[in-house]
Amino acid sequence: DQQVKQNSPSLSVQEGRISILNCDYTNSMFDYFLWYKKYPAEGPTFLISISSIKDKNEDGRFTVFLNKSAKHLSLHIVPSQPGDSAVYFCAAKIIQGAQKLVFGQGTRLTINP
Amino acid sequence: GAGVSQTPSNKVTEKGKYVELRCDPISGHTALYWYRQSLGQGPEFLIYFQGTGAADDSGLPNDRFFAVRPEGSVSTLKIQRTERGDSAVYLCASSRDPSSYNEQFFGPGTRLTVL
Repeated sequence: DQQVKQNSPSLSVQEGRISILNCDYTNSMFDYFLWYKKYPAEGPTFLISISSIKDKNEDGRFTVFLNKSAKHLSLHIVPSQPGDSAVYFCAAKIIQGAQKLVFGQGTRLTINP
Repeated sequence: GAGVSQTPSNKVTEKGKYVELRCDPISGHTALYWYRQSLGQGPEFLIYFQGTGAADDSGLPNDRFFAVRPEGSVSTLKIQRTERGDSAVYLCASSRDPSSYNEQFFGPGTRLTVL
């Protein structure tokens, strides 16, 4: 039972354009969402998060949008840079529940020069 | 300061053997987590420690898996009678305290291969 899904295994974007990574979830109890970025042979690193009381959170080139009715969130990166090439994981948790993060399968983003 | 460290970085073992994987969290972090990442998948939760005690071990797949954190700092994940299906990258993470808004900082992982 995959509660967090990233349906695009890979995405290729030209440098300078916008990258949009998508994530869907099924558990309506999730109320906090995070994006992690992972380079090969390294652990995931935190990128940005959003609480379910918001529909948008922005940090520099990174913006996360949350659509609770659709149980969908997206990460926008603009402008995309070569260093953004990595695997991106969406994760979710229940604030008043267990501390564990539930991750999606990941999307490999490649930024082409 | 130093991040989360994990040793060994790679471990190759034979089916049926016992292995121990070590995690050194960020100094001062009271919460520690173990996840397992199989090929092509996202990390999957195994167990969470708050201090010395396992607050949530619901992700451990069976009784061959066990983890300890005797002094509330370093943690060891122990796998008995390893099986080929245990092959994965085992990730450790820590966070400052159990507050739900604290991000989890991940180590580089231990790649376990069971032949």
